[in-house]
Amino acid sequence: QITLKESGPTLVKPTQTLTLTCAFSGFSLTTNGVGVGWIRQPPGKALEWLAVIYWDDSKRYSPSLKSRLTITKDTSKNRVVLTMTNMDPVDTATYYCAHTYSGNIFDPWGRGTLVTVSS
Amino acid sequence: NLLLTQPHSVSESPGKTVTISCTRSGGSIASNSVQWYQQRPGSAPTTVIYDNNQRPSGVPDRFSVSIDRSSNSASLIISGLKTEDEADYYCQSYDSNNVVFGGGTKLTVL
Repeated sequence: QITLKESGPTLVKPTQTLTLTCAFSGFSLTTNGVGVGWIRQPPGKALEWLAVIYWDDSKRYSPSLKSRLTITKDTSKNRVVLTMTNMDPVDTATYYCAHTYSGNIFDPWGRGTLVTVSS
Repeated sequence: NLLLTQPHSVSESPGKTVTISCTRSGGSIASNSVQWYQQRPGSAPTTVIYDNNQRPSGVPDRFSVSIDRSSNSASLIISGLKTEDEADYYCQSYDSNNVVFGGGTKLTVL
């Protein structure tokens, strides 16, 4: 059974850097074709894809957020970390991580973690 | 740029059939697979359709998809509506540069 769980701060100040961790089990990020993606959802709004990292350490980023995002993995600890710089109140959202086996299909998802950006 | 457009909301009665469209701008709908996710209030999305027309185990065959190349759209079809189907539904696809979700459709079963 694949499970994922997001963790990180619930509140960050504008201009700060957000660091989120996705801890997963039930699969290995060394398996060919496997990846972990991040998706966010502002309150009451639609889903937005952020980034994905693959078993071979290749990465893809949302073109609109690429300059602010970094995704890394720690295979030995079964964790993926997403950092987002220069946080703004519009970045307030629930941030989800999800397993992907193609980089384009996300299943399953973690429960998400709500991050509020406010001074 | 890839864009997926969905109706904001749809409603239908229990037992009926409803269709939720997803229209692609920036490339052919057939170029890349389309996925559909269901999101109930307060919960994470779950997959109801992947690879255009594949259903994960546990998803009933009441959920199906049609592709219309003339309108460059994919549609999620839910037949025999149940109150438990009431949720937000998102289509998702991709191109070489991006992964994109539609704006979501709120399905009300009344």
